[in-house]
Amino acid sequence: QKEVEQDPGPLSVPEGAIVSLNCTYSNSAFQYFMWYRQYSRKGPELLMYTYSSGNKEDGRFTAQVDKSSKYISLFIRDSQPSDSATYLCAMSLLQGAQKLVFGQGTRLTINP
Amino acid sequence: DAGVTQSPTHLIKTRGQQVTLRCSPKSGHDTVSWYQQALGQGPQFIFQYYEEEERQRGNFPDRFSGHQFPNYSSELNVNALLLGDSALYLCASSSRQGANTGELFFGEGSRLTVL
Repeated sequence: QKEVEQDPGPLSVPEGAIVSLNCTYSNSAFQYFMWYRQYSRKGPELLMYTYSSGNKEDGRFTAQVDKSSKYISLFIRDSQPSDSATYLCAMSLLQGAQKLVFGQGTRLTINP
Repeated sequence: DAGVTQSPTHLIKTRGQQVTLRCSPKSGHDTVSWYQQALGQGPQFIFQYYEEEERQRGNFPDRFSGHQFPNYSSELNVNALLLGDSALYLCASSSRQGANTGELFFGEGSRLTVL
């Protein structure tokens, strides 16, 4: 069993839809949770960084962490074609750690 | 302000050969890590360098080695290449001072194909 499980998709939705992306994890020691976006032929870029259970909002993006269920989510509101990318969840044991454990990534396509 | 730069962008090698990949961290960053991303998979941590020393290592064999130079740039070396080493190799950097943000800055990667 992988430490971090993420549905690889692909996921295709119409423009303007609300998108929900999810990851589950098995190691309860993970404390810090991130979502990265990776466009084709590019490196991952950080979207959201959270620590505690609960919600964190940044524009059209909301990250949700439920440590009791070992489950994290990323919601994208009013999705745009420019949001089409692979979304990777990642987590770490320590603050500022360079060793991140990534999920497989979910390929998302927003159709105009 | 240049971000993380990696070279070469693409390369093709044959089994048994050796390869060296290079990385320059983002300006002001002193910590570098390397990740391997197989096609359709998430990145996997190889190792981290800080103050020219390997500080942490993932589950990769000794064929994978690295180096960090006084200017914080880094190299990843892979010996005795196997077909399974074909992947995108990502370099990431961060600053100890900025560690609280948790943000790693990734380069665009070096795509290695082993034939």
